[in-house]
Amino acid sequence: KQEVTQIPAALSVPEGENLVLNCSFTDSAIYNLQWFRQDPGKGLTSLLLIQSSQREQTSGRLNASLDKSSGRSTLYIAASQPGDSATYLCAANTGFQKLVFGTGTRLLVSP
Amino acid sequence: GAGVSQSPSNKVTEKGKDVELRCDPISGHTALYWYRQSLGQGLEFLIYFQGNSAPDKSGLPSDRFSAERTGGSVSTLTIQRTQQEDSAVYLCASSFATGGNNQPQHFGDGTRLSIL
Repeated sequence: KQEVTQIPAALSVPEGENLVLNCSFTDSAIYNLQWFRQDPGKGLTSLLLIQSSQREQTSGRLNASLDKSSGRSTLYIAASQPGDSATYLCAANTGFQKLVFGTGTRLLVSP
Repeated sequence: GAGVSQSPSNKVTEKGKDVELRCDPISGHTALYWYRQSLGQGLEFLIYFQGNSAPDKSGLPSDRFSAERTGGSVSTLTIQRTQQEDSAVYLCASSFATGGNNQPQHFGDGTRLSIL
């Protein structure tokens, strides 16, 4: 059974810092790894999707990497801004588009 | 519409009542998913539709839960004889089903269900 873990559970940083969020998964047989952000009271917004054959994906200030063999993914956020404050979730696609989610990292960026 | 639409946004009901939650996916998305987000369990997969059929119902927690999708569009999730442990946010997502499994899922804002 696939299990996904995210570290840290919460993170507080001053504006402008670069930061890394970590995601680990127990079963390397995944189709892809997805990163989402969730704002309070809202649904999930897809940020990046890394296919199993890829090593990383970039979108603006966000960069996500994937190392299937070690069961790890990282989300790098450059030059953080207060608007980046949200909960970040990673999810492993185990087939039939079934996503197994981590418990999330709650990020607070202070001005 | 532009995004996934879910209704109602909030639902409060008494234990033992039946509830129906509705999801209207993004136009053209043939795949539709239901998830449940609760404090104790995080985000759990419930059911997945490809068109009107549900090849994977493995996440439904009990036989009180059922879901259907008609016309390849709107889906309803029904919970019968609700229990307090059913209190959660129910999220719906949709995606294109081409390109194998590598299509991002787009989420609605959810229905917050509270069982008194």
